[in-house]
Amino acid sequence: KAGVTQTPRYLIKTRGQQVTLSCSPISGHRSVSWYQQTPGQGLQFLFEYFSETQRNKGNFPGRFSGRQFSNSRSEMNVSTLELGDSALYLCASSLAFGASGVQETQYFGPGTRLLVL
Amino acid sequence: AQSVAQPEDQVNVAEGNPLTVKCTYSVSGNPYLFWYVQYPNRGLQFLLKYITGDNLVKGSYGFEAEFNKSQTSFHLKKPSALVSDSALYFCAVRDMNSGGYQKVTFGTGTKLQVIP
Repeated sequence: KAGVTQTPRYLIKTRGQQVTLSCSPISGHRSVSWYQQTPGQGLQFLFEYFSETQRNKGNFPGRFSGRQFSNSRSEMNVSTLELGDSALYLCASSLAFGASGVQETQYFGPGTRLLVL
Repeated sequence: AQSVAQPEDQVNVAEGNPLTVKCTYSVSGNPYLFWYVQYPNRGLQFLLKYITGDNLVKGSYGFEAEFNKSQTSFHLKKPSALVSDSALYFCAVRDMNSGGYQKVTFGTGTKLQVIP
């Protein structure tokens, strides 16, 4: 079974541009989460989706948005890029949410490394 | 404010010895707690989580973690370290009672170095 795939793997943009990152979960997984990792801020939670609905979101400005499609694939978009948006963006998928409201075991993709110049 | 502290930037342990990676947390409600590991060439991986129930949680690769509510800690442990355990370990907390969106906070990470 294929793992979580993220495209593109590497991306260079300039300030003010916008970018769209894609995440394809493991087949059958219905939950997708997004994270940002930077040397300065560390790991931060961005969004969480299940069955096309955003179930949770982190403390990021409105420039960061996401969505999930009916096939569970997810995209995140960052508009008006800033230098500080340079980061590794990680996507994770899980089968579903447990009764506790937390995802079952998450499986991470390799990430998209975004550089903003 | 919700927070996670991993007080040690790096932990060195000899192969075969027990290892502990420390994590303490602060949340307003009841916590969900997680450990993740990031290997240099294998990306981020989920290790284990505490939701409720038994305070000792067993996870992947022989790791376990103990939830201690009175000390607000969730230390990661393994009885016998392997060189292949060398990696960056992250603790995270999710406030299950925050209402609406549940705040998720990661620690700064602890680099584990297992010495042959």
